[in-house]
Amino acid sequence: QVQLQESGPGLVKPSETLSLTCTVSGGSIRSTSYYWAWIRQPPGKGLEWIGSIYYSGSTYYNPSLKSRVTISVDTSKIQFSLKLSSVTAADTAVYFCARTLAAAGIEFWGQGTLVTVSS
Amino acid sequence: DIVMTQSPLSLPVAPGEPASISCRSSQSLLHNNGYNYLDWYLQRPGQSPQLLIYLGSSRASGVPDRFSGSGSGTDFTLKISRVEAEDVGVYYCMQALQIPRMYTFGQGTKLEIK
Repeated sequence: QVQLQESGPGLVKPSETLSLTCTVSGGSIRSTSYYWAWIRQPPGKGLEWIGSIYYSGSTYYNPSLKSRVTISVDTSKIQFSLKLSSVTAADTAVYFCARTLAAAGIEFWGQGTLVTVSS
Repeated sequence: DIVMTQSPLSLPVAPGEPASISCRSSQSLLHNNGYNYLDWYLQRPGQSPQLLIYLGSSRASGVPDRFSGSGSGTDFTLKISRVEAEDVGVYYCMQALQIPRMYTFGQGTKLEIK
């Protein structure tokens, strides 16, 4: 059973960079066909895809966040990471990491981690 | 970009009664392989979303058969044959046609027990 766990600071100051890591267990991050994604959910609101990465390092970003987002993968550590720069209060959200496959849905999600942007 | 629109946004249902949620996409989700790339998720309060249905009508592992998905092209429906207390939460549809370039969720439909 694949498990994903987000980790990182729960509080980030405005204008700084939010950094989160997702550790994968129970499966290989090098599995072909799967994309590893970051998805966020502001308090009381819906789900927003941030971006995705393949184990080879190919990345795709939400156009609305593209200028501020960097997603990377470390296959040796079985981790992938999110960096979101120049954060504002609007970036306050629960951040989920997930394993995705177009033909099979987003079957595995992390538990989510709340990141609050505040001084 | 594909826009996903759900209705209703709020759905009160009595236990044992059926429920239906609609999802419309601004572009066809029918792939040339014949499958509709539309997923349904349930997010129970305080939990991560859970995959219910993928490819429009395929139930995910462990999902009760009271959940069913149907539709094609731009119009899709999630049906619950008999609502139970554990079905409370927010239901989201998501287009998977543009994965990995783009994932788009509907606004969500909040199901509550009457």
